Amino acid sequence: TQLLEQSPQFLSIQEGENLTVYCNSSSVFSSLQWYRQEPGEGPVLLVTVVTGGEVKKLKRLTFQFGDARKDSSLHITAAQPGDTGLYLCAGEPRGSQGNLIFGKGTKLSVKP
Amino acid sequence: DAGITQSPRHKVTETGTPVTLRCHQTENHRYMYWYRQDPGHGLRLIHYSYGVKDTDKGEVSDGYSVSRSKTEDFLLTLESATSSQTSVYFCAISDRYGYTFGSGTRLTVV
Repeated sequence: TQLLEQSPQFLSIQEGENLTVYCNSSSVFSSLQWYRQEPGEGPVLLVTVVTGGEVKKLKRLTFQFGDARKDSSLHITAAQPGDTGLYLCAGEPRGSQGNLIFGKGTKLSVKP
Repeated sequence: DAGITQSPRHKVTETGTPVTLRCHQTENHRYMYWYRQDPGHGLRLIHYSYGVKDTDKGEVSDGYSVSRSKTEDFLLTLESATSSQTSVYFCAISDRYGYTFGSGTRLTVV
């Protein structure tokens, strides 16, 4: 069974701090996606990375795909209370017909 | 916006009863998925569909069946609901960017 290990599981920080969330696996993925989920709603896609070593930026969020396409990280600079939510990474195994394997998520709380 | 609607949003049912959850999409996407989300387990794939009448099992398919008679509708049926099937169920479609999820159905089996 392919697994995506996401860490940390919980993160509580003050507004203005930086943070990094990690997503690791022993498997190679065709692509890796990051989602953000708010209570009572479905996950919303933030970014998809497909090339080893790729870095994508979305305002204060920076996403990186590992060179070997087995791991990824999400870095948030100067976190805001509006960043609070559940962050999920999801990997697309090779030949999976688009099926994704999800990490268990990182619950982020940013206090004013 | 992929226009995904799940119904019902909330349901309480008794053990042993059959339950059907509906997912409706408006943009003719070929691939549709059913996931369940549980604390400590994250999102796990139940079944998926790659076209009308074309479906396959996911990681946690036991006790569930699906049907897709039209492109726009993907139904998830719990044949005989059990307490272990209490969960939040999400439907999703995929396109070249990634997944778009519905808002979920919170199912409680008592």
